[in-house]
Amino acid sequence: EIVLTQSPATLSLSPGERATLSCRASQSVGSFLAWYQQKPGQVPRLLIYDASNRATGIPPKFSGSGSGTLFTLTISSLEPEDFAVYYCQQRSNWPPTFGGGTKVEI
Amino acid sequence: EVQLVESGGGLVQPGRSLRLSCEASGFSFDDYAMHWVRQAPGKGLEWVSGISWNSGSADYAASVKGRFTISRDNAKNSLHLQMTSLRAEDTAFYYCAKDVSRSYFSPIFDNWGQGTLVTVSS
Repeated sequence: EIVLTQSPATLSLSPGERATLSCRASQSVGSFLAWYQQKPGQVPRLLIYDASNRATGIPPKFSGSGSGTLFTLTISSLEPEDFAVYYCQQRSNWPPTFGGGTKVEI
Repeated sequence: EVQLVESGGGLVQPGRSLRLSCEASGFSFDDYAMHWVRQAPGKGLEWVSGISWNSGSADYAASVKGRFTISRDNAKNSLHLQMTSLRAEDTAFYYCAKDVSRSYFSPIFDNWGQGTLVTVSS
């Protein structure tokens, strides 16, 4: 199965700063990569699918890029509600797998 | 508005069984594949099982294959997960998740339930 490695494990930033999160796949997943946000005590929420497409209702401050084995989620200007754990997930190969997550903290 | 409400979790002894359910509303349930995804407390996400829109096909993570069975009742807008031979490592929140397509084979999870906690302990 494909292993997704997210880095860094924790990202310490301040409101207003730009966040750059990485997800590396053990083999090519094409563009079949999604990003999810999980706030404390809440369920995951789909942010980005197929590497760069924002899900319904997701603001443009969230953007995704990459293909093959290296992907990036960028949050242009952090707001208090953006501090959460972010997971990547691939759907290129069976079974679907998730990365270990990046915690964005203040 | 899409709503997914899980039930059936609880404390169960190792080796015993448990059946989870997910009641869906706010969308055409029989048009979409559905999945179970779990999360051990304080840990990451793990896909568990998926089923196609018409129950024609389903699959499981290697960690649960042969022990868990997914099913759905489109007439009742419900999804189920029958779990047998439970182990301590099955302890997790179990989320019901909606796919964006009819096939479970290449999933995007666009809506999630609130989850139900399964604790396997003696």
